[in-house]
Amino acid sequence: AQSVTQPDIHITVSEGASLELRCNYSYGATPYLFWYVQSPGQGLQLLLKYFSGDTLVQGIKGFEAEFKRSQSSFNLRKPSVHWSDAAEYFCAGDDNYGQNFVFGPGTRLSVLP
Amino acid sequence: ETGVTQSPTHLIKTRGQQVTLRCSSQSGHNTVSWYQQALGQGPQFIFQYYREEENGRGNFPPRFSGLQFPNYSSELNVNALELDDSALYLCASSRGGGTGSTDTQYFGPGTRLTVL
Repeated sequence: AQSVTQPDIHITVSEGASLELRCNYSYGATPYLFWYVQSPGQGLQLLLKYFSGDTLVQGIKGFEAEFKRSQSSFNLRKPSVHWSDAAEYFCAGDDNYGQNFVFGPGTRLSVLP
Repeated sequence: ETGVTQSPTHLIKTRGQQVTLRCSSQSGHNTVSWYQQALGQGPQFIFQYYREEENGRGNFPPRFSGLQFPNYSSELNVNALELDDSALYLCASSRGGGTGSTDTQYFGPGTRLTVL
């Protein structure tokens, strides 16, 4: 069965430091991949998505992610974290049919001043 | 362009009762998906509706059912509520048909259901 894993439950970084959130997927074929962010009491906001082509994807709020087929990974990065980036981050996959969107368990990001 | 809206914001029910949650899709979107997000977990796909018909279903029992209306708004109905049904229920809309669609899903703020 398709699955998306996020190995880190909680990450803490200092404001201004770089960030990398890990995501691994298990699919039969190359899936569509997404990163969403959820702030407390809010819905999910799409940061970026990968469908095909260039493996480095740029998103909103200065985020980027790199698709690595050999490692079955789609890690999210940001060069300099802002206090407002503190939130829950979810990686998600789609098996090309759009009918069974699978989310990872999420990584909670805390930002120290 | 209005975004995805959900009602009510919060709901408290007792075990065994039935509940209906509502979702208005974003303008121009014909596909609605529902998700259950338990506390501290990622959202889990319940089902998807495309042009008023169920277009895919996750691993949820039949007491979870839905409807999509001609204006593409949607309802999620849950019968015989159980304590484990307590969760945030998210609705997402998209423009595609779900069959090979690459369209992005846009999420509403969710309905927080508490079952006592």
